[in-house]
Amino acid sequence: EAGVTQFPSHSVIEKGQTVTLRCDPISGHDNLYWYRRVMGKEIKFLLHFVKESKQDESGMPNNRFLAERTGGTYSTLKVQPAELEDSGVYFCASSQDQNYGYTFGSGTRLTVV
Amino acid sequence: DQQVKQNSPSLSVQEGRISILNCDYTNSMFDYFLWYKKYPAEGPTFLISISSIKDKNEDGRFTVFLNKSAKHLSLHIVPSPPGDSAVYFCAASAHGTYKYIFGTGTRLKVLA
Repeated sequence: EAGVTQFPSHSVIEKGQTVTLRCDPISGHDNLYWYRRVMGKEIKFLLHFVKESKQDESGMPNNRFLAERTGGTYSTLKVQPAELEDSGVYFCASSQDQNYGYTFGSGTRLTVV
Repeated sequence: DQQVKQNSPSLSVQEGRISILNCDYTNSMFDYFLWYKKYPAEGPTFLISISSIKDKNEDGRFTVFLNKSAKHLSLHIVPSPPGDSAVYFCAASAHGTYKYIFGTGTRLKVLA
């Protein structure tokens, strides 16, 4: 079974530019999550999709962040315009249910300069 | 305000000995707890979980203990080979939500 795939693995952009991160969950997993880890701190929840619907987006920092999951398969997270404090590692995860924990992707390391 | 706290940023143990990682939480609504392990440049990997109806769960070398009255859980790893050197995250969720609240992690270093 293929795991959760994230692309790109690294991205360096200038402040004010736009970046789009992509996540391909495990096939058949209805639940997809985005998390972020900034500067070695805790891994913080951003949002949760069930299929194509946003179930919980309480962790999204501000309206510069836009997540989509058209068709309920892969998801994208767009940051526009990027600010310096957006730097961090963005993790995507997927699950079928709650009982066995999420499966995380390897993350996208975003550096805004 | 952090709801899940891992107060030890790092821990060193000798190879073959027991590793004990601790985690405290403040939200009494949490009823499901997990431990994840993370190697550099990789995503967190699920290790073990425990529901609040239990006080212990064991899976191979990993045992998680939950003390609800103290709002404390711990992960015991026995024995600890050098390959266990990683950052360990504690996480919690409340019933009916799929959102996990993570701690800041403890870096475990197993010395050969």
